[in-house]
Amino acid sequence: SQQGEEDPQALSIQEGENATMNCSYKTSINNLQWYRQNSGRGLVHLILIRSNEREKHSGRLRVTLDTSKKSSSLLITASRAADTASYFCATDAGSGAGSYQLTFGKGTKLSVIP
Amino acid sequence: KAGVTQTPRYLIKTRGQQVTLSCSPISGHRSVSWYQQTPGQGLQFLFEYFSETQRNKGNFPGRFSGRQFSNSRSEMNVSTLELGDSALYLCASSLVFRRRNEQYFGPGTRLTVT
Repeated sequence: SQQGEEDPQALSIQEGENATMNCSYKTSINNLQWYRQNSGRGLVHLILIRSNEREKHSGRLRVTLDTSKKSSSLLITASRAADTASYFCATDAGSGAGSYQLTFGKGTKLSVIP
Repeated sequence: KAGVTQTPRYLIKTRGQQVTLSCSPISGHRSVSWYQQTPGQGLQFLFEYFSETQRNKGNFPGRFSGRQFSNSRSEMNVSTLELGDSALYLCASSLVFRRRNEQYFGPGTRLTVT
């Protein structure tokens, strides 16, 4: 079953603008991860934020996590045409060295228009 | 370091046949997970292996099985293929350590069942 729900389902912006995607989830988590997928290819890991972290940056990416609201957001600043892809949030509810199982949302399809 | 590799990349099979997909994790990664991605159901967890043992299994019929070898390479098998098994099958590996880490995905195997 899907744990995460991304919002919006699709987003179209002009190159240079910022893109914000949101993710909500249902259960307690150990960490939340964001992935990018280009056109039916493999998933590329973007960033991992742990449950005790509130914000994380990586290059043009900024991720926030609000465990009280069970939500996260991914901000891509100064978007480029190459950022066009589907973006997924995935939650890891496991602990320690226990089984690895990510639960994915349905994704946000981002289109960046040159 | 080489990434996660999956073979074959594309496969066309007929209903009723069986198929075996292969995954080689990143060197040093001992956890290997498999996911199925379809347009309708999105990304769904199939199973996870660690040290040649299946630690967790998703909600899939017994026709879906897998195994892991001593070198951490993994295979998954689908028997008696159905049209609905057409999907992108993704393998992911993770470094199992004290803290839970990101999963790195391979490019996937696109299976078409006719």
